[in-house]
Amino acid sequence: AQSVAQPEDQVNVAEGNPLTVKCTYSVSGNPYLFWYVQYPNRGLQFLLKYITGDNLVKGSYGFEAEFNKSQTSFHLKKPSALVSDSALYFCAVRDMAPTAGNTPLVFGKGTRLSVIA
Amino acid sequence: DTGVSQNPRHKITKRGQNVTFRCDPISEHNRLYWYRQTLGQGPEFLTYFQNEAQLEKSRLLSDRFSAERPKGSFSTLEIQRTEQGDSAMYLCASSLGRGYYTEAFFGQGTRLTVV
Repeated sequence: AQSVAQPEDQVNVAEGNPLTVKCTYSVSGNPYLFWYVQYPNRGLQFLLKYITGDNLVKGSYGFEAEFNKSQTSFHLKKPSALVSDSALYFCAVRDMAPTAGNTPLVFGKGTRLSVIA
Repeated sequence: DTGVSQNPRHKITKRGQNVTFRCDPISEHNRLYWYRQTLGQGPEFLTYFQNEAQLEKSRLLSDRFSAERPKGSFSTLEIQRTEQGDSAMYLCASSLGRGYYTEAFFGQGTRLTVV
């Protein structure tokens, strides 16, 4: 069964410093990987995705993520954090193995990012 | 606003009552998803539709839950005989396409409180 782990419940970073939010996954076949962000009282917003091709994916608001197949990871990064980046971040995976059935996306538990001025 | 719309935003109900939520997806999006999110957890998949066909249901979706998308446009999620454990945020999302590579757009959710 497909699964996602976000090992950190909370990440604190100073404004202007680089940030990393970690995500590892488990699938039977090839993965489709997504990052979403959730601001208070807002719906989940799509940030970026990896489907195939270049392992470094660039997304909205200056975020990027690197797909690492050997480490089964898809960490979210940003070179310089902003206070406005403070939010809840979710990693999600879709297993593309033929045996994976029709379940669309499986989400991690989320990581709360706090950027301190 | 052309995003995914969910109504009501909040619902408080007594245990044992039935509730129904509505989701209006982005126009022309053929896929519609229902997820449930509890505090401190990520969204958990409940069910999804491609057009009017319900293609997958999670084991989380007990017999008390039913979802419909009668004309391939809006969808409803009904919970019968609500229990306190049903208290959660119910999220709806929609996407366009046949594959799983297109991102889903989420509504703001309906927060259900069962008292």
